[in-house]
Amino acid sequence: AQRVTQPEKLLSVFKGAPVELKCNYSYSGSPELFWYVQYSRQRLQLLLRHISRESIKGFTADLNKGETSFHLKKPFAQEEDSAMYYCALRGVTGGGNKLTFGTGTQLKVEL
Amino acid sequence: ETGVTQSPTHLIKTRGQQVTLRCSSQSGHNTVSWYQQALGQGPQFIFQYYREEENGRGNFPPRFSGLQFPNYSSELNVNALELDDSALYLCASSLWRGRETETQYFGPGTRLLVL
Repeated sequence: AQRVTQPEKLLSVFKGAPVELKCNYSYSGSPELFWYVQYSRQRLQLLLRHISRESIKGFTADLNKGETSFHLKKPFAQEEDSAMYYCALRGVTGGGNKLTFGTGTQLKVEL
Repeated sequence: ETGVTQSPTHLIKTRGQQVTLRCSSQSGHNTVSWYQQALGQGPQFIFQYYREEENGRGNFPPRFSGLQFPNYSSELNVNALELDDSALYLCASSLWRGRETETQYFGPGTRLLVL
């Protein structure tokens, strides 16, 4: 079975402070990990995927297979980063190309 | 390029009724996935369609069924609605080229309330 755990429902930081949104996963095969973001009143959209190894909007995430983690980091939080963040895993267990999502972390950046 | 669209945006039904939700894929995409997102939860995979056939299913009962049409649009049908079916239903489209599947792009969702 595949599972994604996001331990924090809400993370509140001050503008300019570092951000780390935690994500741990459980998967027997070789995982593909993603971070999706949902800004207020907008649809769910891809933020980044581990195979791209790129930085989007200042966010980065490194896949750590030893710790089965894919934490999302940003050195300096901006007010516009306030949103709901979902970590997701893609696997082929059970057929298809399904994404397994965590329960999400609400990031609130305060001034 | 047209994004993923879903209809209706909101729907209210009563227990035992049937509902059909619709999704139009993003231009150029051939695969549609459906997800259920209950309040306070992440989206949960219902099933996926490729070339008009179901290509993977999550842990949902048979009363959840779907269709994909030749133009790659899709429907999600839920029979015998239960109160717990109240949720946001998300459609996502992507392009499958054989081995790798590209990013899934999500629609705005249909919010279903079952009374």
